[in-house]
Amino acid sequence: GAVVSQHPSWVICKSGTSVKIECRSLDFQATTMFWYRQFPKQSLMLMATSNEGSKATYEQGVEKDKFLINHASLTLSTLTVTSAHPEDSSFYICSATPMAGADPAINEQFFGPGTRLTVL
Amino acid sequence: GQNIDQPTEMTATEGAIVQINCTYQTSGFNGLFWYQQHAGEAPTFLSYNVLDGLEEKGRFSSFLSRSKGYSYLLLKELQMKDSASYLCAVMDSNYQLIWGAGTKLIIKP
Repeated sequence: GAVVSQHPSWVICKSGTSVKIECRSLDFQATTMFWYRQFPKQSLMLMATSNEGSKATYEQGVEKDKFLINHASLTLSTLTVTSAHPEDSSFYICSATPMAGADPAINEQFFGPGTRLTVL
Repeated sequence: GQNIDQPTEMTATEGAIVQINCTYQTSGFNGLFWYQQHAGEAPTFLSYNVLDGLEEKGRFSSFLSRSKGYSYLLLKELQMKDSASYLCAVMDSNYQLIWGAGTKLIIKP
């Protein structure tokens, strides 16, 4: 099956610093990558949809200047949490879908293992 | 608005059968997914239904009724490792996944 990796798997940082999280599709090319955030005992919350070579589409309430997304290639997307604060502490998960050509109606999302961010 | 409803928590006994229900109201429908998520891990794909009926895959089956906006995930011969959250997600007309809050399944010996 398709494999998506995330790095780092966990990170602890001081308030006010920036943290970059990488999401890579290892054995397929992903036209679209998604970034989610999940707080304890809550469901996945979509933050943004990222298409290779274009600007990300952010969900309502997500600050695009705080959560910078770069999808520079078909296998890599990055999420940078700028000026992180304790309330940004969460589990960040990316997912990716294969290139167009696969059945668009299936459009299965392959998830990375997640990154646990703790801001002190 | 768009809405996915599923029970918050369910408890079942090892070896038994459990059915997790999901009802949805979305703008358009391009399929319904079930994912399993163990604590502290990312979701893993279980099933996909786009047509009415039952899809069976080993111990797990998923049912869909589009007219009723309803699906269920059926888990048979429950094992302790099945203890996890089960997420129902519907793909809307824009091919965006709308997620339910998840059902935490607790398996007791």
